[in-house]
Amino acid sequence: GAGVSQSPSNKVTEKGKDVELRCDPISGHTALYWYRQRLGQGLEFLIYFQGNSAPDKSGLPSDRFSAERTGESVSTLTIQRTQQEDSAVYLCASSWTSLYNEQFFGPGTRLTVL
Amino acid sequence: GENVEQHPSTLSVQEGDSAVIKCTYSDSASNYFPWYKQELGKRPQLIIDIRSNVGEKKDQRIAVTLNKTAKHFSLHITETQPEDSAVYFCAASKNNDMRFGAGTRLTVKP
Repeated sequence: GAGVSQSPSNKVTEKGKDVELRCDPISGHTALYWYRQRLGQGLEFLIYFQGNSAPDKSGLPSDRFSAERTGESVSTLTIQRTQQEDSAVYLCASSWTSLYNEQFFGPGTRLTVL
Repeated sequence: GENVEQHPSTLSVQEGDSAVIKCTYSDSASNYFPWYKQELGKRPQLIIDIRSNVGEKKDQRIAVTLNKTAKHFSLHITETQPEDSAVYFCAASKNNDMRFGAGTRLTVKP
């Protein structure tokens, strides 16, 4: 079946503009995660959705970042008033709800803020 | 929240040697510990995982050990090959809430 997909694959924007990144999880996966990965760096947790529960937003770096997910489907990550330090690859992952949950990652969106 | 620390940040070994990567976690309630491999320009992929009720798990050249008392777990790769060169991430998870270590860049020299 289809894996996790993300769009766009690449996004170049100007400083100060808003961007919206999309993640389509694997069908049936109730958990969805967003991570940021700067060049050569680790996976920085941003936000976690679990079913209809309130999301864990503890990783969002500032109030310019927000994310939504409707039910157990598509999620969008929005970055307002982008800054150059927002440049990174944004990875989405999804998993089943279970005690032991392998996360399946999407290909990522490479964001470049000029 | 959970905090995962990973060491070393970089590791270089000769082909055929073993490689060991270590992680510690802070939340004693974490019960699932996966390891992901990320090749250059690609997405992370699960290579092995261990559950909290198991102390050791092996899959061919890869093994993972878990010490719940000390809250640390390790990845062991034996007979390393150049294709093992990648960034490896450990993670600790509790009730689907997963946190990753900072990663280890492994280079296997032919």
